[in-house]
Amino acid sequence: AQSVTQPDIHITVSEGASLELRCNYSYGATPYLFWYVQSPGQGLQLLLKYFSGDTLVQGIKGFEAEFKRSQSSFNLRKPSVHWSDAAEYFCAVGPFNDYKLSFGAGTTVTVRA
Amino acid sequence: ETGVTQTPRHLVMGMTNKKSLKCEQHLGHNAMYWYKQSAKKPLELMFVYSLEERVENNSVPSRFSPECPNSSHLFLHLHTLQPEDSALYLCASSQTSGTINEQYFGPGTRLTVT
Repeated sequence: AQSVTQPDIHITVSEGASLELRCNYSYGATPYLFWYVQSPGQGLQLLLKYFSGDTLVQGIKGFEAEFKRSQSSFNLRKPSVHWSDAAEYFCAVGPFNDYKLSFGAGTTVTVRA
Repeated sequence: ETGVTQTPRHLVMGMTNKKSLKCEQHLGHNAMYWYKQSAKKPLELMFVYSLEERVENNSVPSRFSPECPNSSHLFLHLHTLQPEDSALYLCASSQTSGTINEQYFGPGTRLTVT
């Protein structure tokens, strides 16, 4: 069965500082990995996705993520956060040609001035 | 309208009421989903429709009844709900069949059961 763990429930970061959110997955085959962001009162927006190829993927809003098969991880990073990055972030894993995505419980990011 | 839209955005209902949530996708996708999002819990997949046929029903209580009249519209009919059903209900759509299942979400309906 596939599953996702986001070890950090809440992270506080200063504006302009770097951010890294952790994601660990469990999946028997080649994983297809996603990061979503949810701003207050909004739905989930896709930030980036990994299917194959280069293990460092670029997304929207200046985010990137690195796939490490040996560590079963897909961590999300941003070099310099903006106050608008305050939101909840979800990692998800899913198989090819299947509708089932498994989501982590999310990490809430607070940005302080 | 673009993307995935949901109405209403907020709903307060009593336990004896009957209401419906509506979702519409403008992306030409062939699959639609209902998720329940409760505080500090992973998203719970409730229902999946692919090509207008229900392909998943994750042991959801019968007080939730989905309907998918066509590939662009999805409804969730609610009746005799319980307070623990209060949550954010998210609709999503994707293109399946030989592709990566990249799901696009609507803004959600915040449901409060009193």
